[in-house]
Amino acid sequence: EIVLTQSPGTLSLSPGERATLSCRASQSVSSSYLAWYQQKPGQAPRLLIYGASSRATGIPDRFSGSGSGTDFTLTISRLEPEDFAVYYCQQYGSSNTFGQGTKLEIK
Amino acid sequence: QVQLQESGPGLVKPSETLSLTCTVSGGSISSYYWSWIRQPPGKGLEWIGYIYYSGSTNYNPSLKSRVTISVDTSKNQFSLKLSSVTAADTAVYYCARLDVSYYYYMDVWGKGTTVTVSS
Repeated sequence: EIVLTQSPGTLSLSPGERATLSCRASQSVSSSYLAWYQQKPGQAPRLLIYGASSRATGIPDRFSGSGSGTDFTLTISRLEPEDFAVYYCQQYGSSNTFGQGTKLEIK
Repeated sequence: QVQLQESGPGLVKPSETLSLTCTVSGGSISSYYWSWIRQPPGKGLEWIGYIYYSGSTNYNPSLKSRVTISVDTSKNQFSLKLSSVTAADTAVYYCARLDVSYYYYMDVWGKGTTVTVSS
């Protein structure tokens, strides 16, 4: 089973700042099968990025994804108040796994 | 616009079987994969498994011995059964539409339903 490790566990930033979230896989992952989700308290996750770098429908262009192999990154170029949430990466090999999440909190 | 709604008992006794249904509205269940995911209180997401509308399935190896996912295309529904539940199965259970084409991602989610395992 491929294990996804997200870092940092918690990221404290201010609105307007740039956020960089990391997702590292225990073995190589196909970029086509790497996605990112945002989850706010009491809500279901929302798809942000699929195929490592493609934005889902309706996702603002301040969200971007990059990476390949075992290292992937979600970048939020300029934080808006509504961006403070928990972010999960997800991969599919023969089985589906999620990272443990990064909590993005207001500093 | 496709919407998903989970339904089922909110309380299940230990050792019994958890049963949930996801109803798909605003679109057909055909030609897509459908998945179940759960989230224990205060913890992260855990994939349970998925089913294609034709009935083929893939389960999380750690849950495979206890999980059955089925589909009823006539009702536009798919279902989850998890047997021999314990307190560790207490979680919010989500259903989601899964795109498994060139990519793999869950683009439509239900709101989730809370299931508590307790006597």
